[in-house]
Amino acid sequence: EADIYQTPRYLVIGTGKKITLECSQTMGHDKMYWYQQDPGMELHLIHYSYGVNSTEKGDLSSESTVSRIRTEHFPLTLESARPSHTSQYLCASARGGNTEAFFGQGTRLTVV
Amino acid sequence: GNSVTQMEGPVTLSEEAFLTINCTYTATGYPSLFWYVQYPGEGLQLLLKATKADDKGSNKGFEATYRKETTSFHLEKGSVQVSDSAVYFCALSRPSASGGSYIPTFGRGTSLIVHP
Repeated sequence: EADIYQTPRYLVIGTGKKITLECSQTMGHDKMYWYQQDPGMELHLIHYSYGVNSTEKGDLSSESTVSRIRTEHFPLTLESARPSHTSQYLCASARGGNTEAFFGQGTRLTVV
Repeated sequence: GNSVTQMEGPVTLSEEAFLTINCTYTATGYPSLFWYVQYPGEGLQLLLKATKADDKGSNKGFEATYRKETTSFHLEKGSVQVSDSAVYFCALSRPSASGGSYIPTFGRGTSLIVHP
């Protein structure tokens, strides 16, 4: 049973608002990832972390930022939301380099 | 770099039909290979995996064999059910740009629709 949680599941906010999407895991995994999933289902890596105080930008340019102050917590922040940020955001974690990833249920964000 | 290519969907089948979803990969070294499934409104979950050449992963009637000679990892099921309707992703890990870690990397996903 995967123990990785994302909140909120659904969020509708106005343009210009600051938001934080939460992701927590209780498996002690060092590696954590944020993906943006487009309507065509493809996953795009936007941020990842090797461990505490280590974060890197992913393949898809994103105006979001992340932090990793605790092993279990990997929040993603949008300082000023825009309609182009409307998407599904998936958080994942993994124990090692060549192992399976565990996913949260996702946050569906709509910016109006 | 390491990547996967999988067949485009949607794949539409009748219940009890045979399923194949093709996946090929390019990789340096011998990464583990994975199939994930995503049900509507959910995140991805691991369906099966294979860690080395000629390994067969299996779960819930689904199977896939790690074929090094054809660089393939095709997903098969002998008799699909309506409840198998979902999106299926082939995946492997690739080294990060800095080389300090590995990144799970996914195909574009194949939607499966099973009719009664």
